[in-house]
Amino acid sequence: DAKTTQPPSMDCAEGRAANLPCNHSTISGNEYVYWYRQIHSQGPQYIIHGLKNNETNEMASLIITEDRKSSTLILPHATLRDTAVYYCIVRSYDKVIFGPGTSLSVIP
Amino acid sequence: GAVVSQHPSRVICKSGTSVKIECRSLDFQATTMFWYRQFPKQSLMLMATSNEGSKATYEQGVEKDKFLINHASLTLSTLTVTSAHPEDSSFYICSARDPPNGEKLFFGSGTQLSVL
Repeated sequence: DAKTTQPPSMDCAEGRAANLPCNHSTISGNEYVYWYRQIHSQGPQYIIHGLKNNETNEMASLIITEDRKSSTLILPHATLRDTAVYYCIVRSYDKVIFGPGTSLSVIP
Repeated sequence: GAVVSQHPSRVICKSGTSVKIECRSLDFQATTMFWYRQFPKQSLMLMATSNEGSKATYEQGVEKDKFLINHASLTLSTLTVTSAHPEDSSFYICSARDPPNGEKLFFGSGTQLSVL
């Protein structure tokens, strides 16, 4: 599976959009980009995933660049409950390997 | 979404004893489950892949005799930490994919193990 690079931490003001970047320059053609988040002392929660096209669901939007070497997770209106560690993962199938992720702090 | 139930949520045990953690898929069948371990302020580390009806596949560096995995049914996988030591104290999390060949991974709520 391709390796991902994320900033270790970010802050976001409550009510504003949180944009979390992820670099995956070695991604191959059949590998999906997945985002999960983990709130302290809980199991990770699936957010969204995509292959080439941008995706949106009730939680977030995923923007994937045309060359697929990077992506951005967008939380449109961050709330305090969105404070968590966000993991960007690239995989083709089978097991999911987690990197260090980005610790997002939503500030009142 | 699918629900993965993990039990217990917290356990304290003495050194040298064994502890069993259960992971159940509540509303779907899971031919494969994954076990992770997480130390404080660190990311999740994949320990092993549990396969229903066959032996688990362990990641490099994970002792199979210490972390016994049994996946006897399509809805239950267990992780037994044998002869626990204080350094085994960690947050253990299981996950499963629904459907079995699907794209989403669902996680249990985790088990905090403290070995005294």
